[in-house]
Amino acid sequence: DAGVIQSPRHEVTEMGQEVTLRCKPISGHNSLFWYRQTMMRGLELLIYFNNNVPIDDSGMPEDRFSAKMPNASFSTLKIQPSEPRDSAVYFCASSLNQRYEQFFGPGTRLTVL
Amino acid sequence: KQEVTQIPAALSVPEGENLVLNCSFTDSAIYNLQWFRQDPGKGLTSLLLIQSSQREQTSGRLNASLDKSSGRSTLYIAASQPGDSATYLCAVEGTYKYIFGTGTRLKVLA
Repeated sequence: DAGVIQSPRHEVTEMGQEVTLRCKPISGHNSLFWYRQTMMRGLELLIYFNNNVPIDDSGMPEDRFSAKMPNASFSTLKIQPSEPRDSAVYFCASSLNQRYEQFFGPGTRLTVL
Repeated sequence: KQEVTQIPAALSVPEGENLVLNCSFTDSAIYNLQWFRQDPGKGLTSLLLIQSSQREQTSGRLNASLDKSSGRSTLYIAASQPGDSATYLCAVEGTYKYIFGTGTRLKVLA
């Protein structure tokens, strides 16, 4: 298996623009997690899905952030409008089910100018 | 609210040394504890997963232990190698959410 796939790997955008990050989980995994990593705050869970349904989005910082999982093999994290403080590395992870080992993608490094 | 602390924040050792990384958590009501490795600019690689009913897990030169009652876990690395240089993160799972520590940055000198 190719592992968790994320795109793009790097994104540079200007403040106010819409940003869409994409994730393809490992085939057969039922749980998907979106994390954000910064030097100041470390690794934080933003939202997670189980069987394509959002279970907990309490980590989503603001209404500017939204996430979808239209099917078992694809998820998006959207920021609209983006702000410089959104600059971070965004990771997607998947697991067989909610309480199993998590496998991380390579991350998307987002820079908002 | 669960808080996860890792000490030390950074560690530099000569090659061949056995070393211990520490992880402590404030709420002992956890389901799993997972150790990860992160190389610079890369994602996280799962090393070991310990379920709450287990005391330890081993994989090659790595051994992780869990003491729920005291809120501690240790990652033991035997015969360290330069290739072990990375940041090591522990994460505890409570109610279906992982809370991560800030990591220990390890450098093994050749």
